[in-house]
Amino acid sequence: NAGVTQTPKFRILKIGQSMTLQCAQDMNHNYMYWYRQDPGMGLKLIYYSVGAGITDKGEVPNGYNVSRSTTEDFPLRLELAAPSQTSVYFCASSYEGGRGSPLHFGNGTRLTVT
Amino acid sequence: AQSVTQLDSHVSVSEGTPVLLRCNYSSSYSPSLFWYVQHPNKGLQLLLKYTSAATLVKGINGFEAEFKKSETSFHLTKPSAHMSDAAEYFCVVITISSGSARQLTFGSGTQLTVLP
Repeated sequence: NAGVTQTPKFRILKIGQSMTLQCAQDMNHNYMYWYRQDPGMGLKLIYYSVGAGITDKGEVPNGYNVSRSTTEDFPLRLELAAPSQTSVYFCASSYEGGRGSPLHFGNGTRLTVT
Repeated sequence: AQSVTQLDSHVSVSEGTPVLLRCNYSSSYSPSLFWYVQHPNKGLQLLLKYTSAATLVKGINGFEAEFKKSETSFHLTKPSAHMSDAAEYFCVVITISSGSARQLTFGSGTQLTVLP
């Protein structure tokens, strides 16, 4: 199992550009999540999905969009990049949504917007 | 509402000495608690979890944590630090509310430095 795979690892965007961060998991997990990590702030939830075709907003969804057409893939879209979106983005998955189900993380995408 | 407080943003220990990373939580519902480790430029890796069974939980790489409900704490310990333990550590709490909403909250992290 590759687990959770994120691409790209690094990206530099200019203000106003768009891009899609890719996330795929091969563990047949129903739940998938996007987090951003800023220094000293822990992780903040952007969007999550409880299954194919179902997505919902997290704490900090503004400026982002997601889709979940398959169980495996959960891309994150930035439409008009802003410097405030400079961050490290982590995709995660879990088998189910109970309190005992841990998250499995990808290795992250480091995004800089200038 | 729930919260997680990691009491130290930085901890520095010498190799071979004990490690203590402190985590306190508040929650209106029965929590599950997790510790994750993040090495530089890597994702978060699960170290251990507590889900209402034994209160002393053993994890990978010699780490363990004890759930103390009376103190609302879940501190992470290791008897003898190794250089490879240098990383950032996150405490996480998960609850299910009465309306079946899952709430997951991360602490702000503790950076562990291991000195030779």
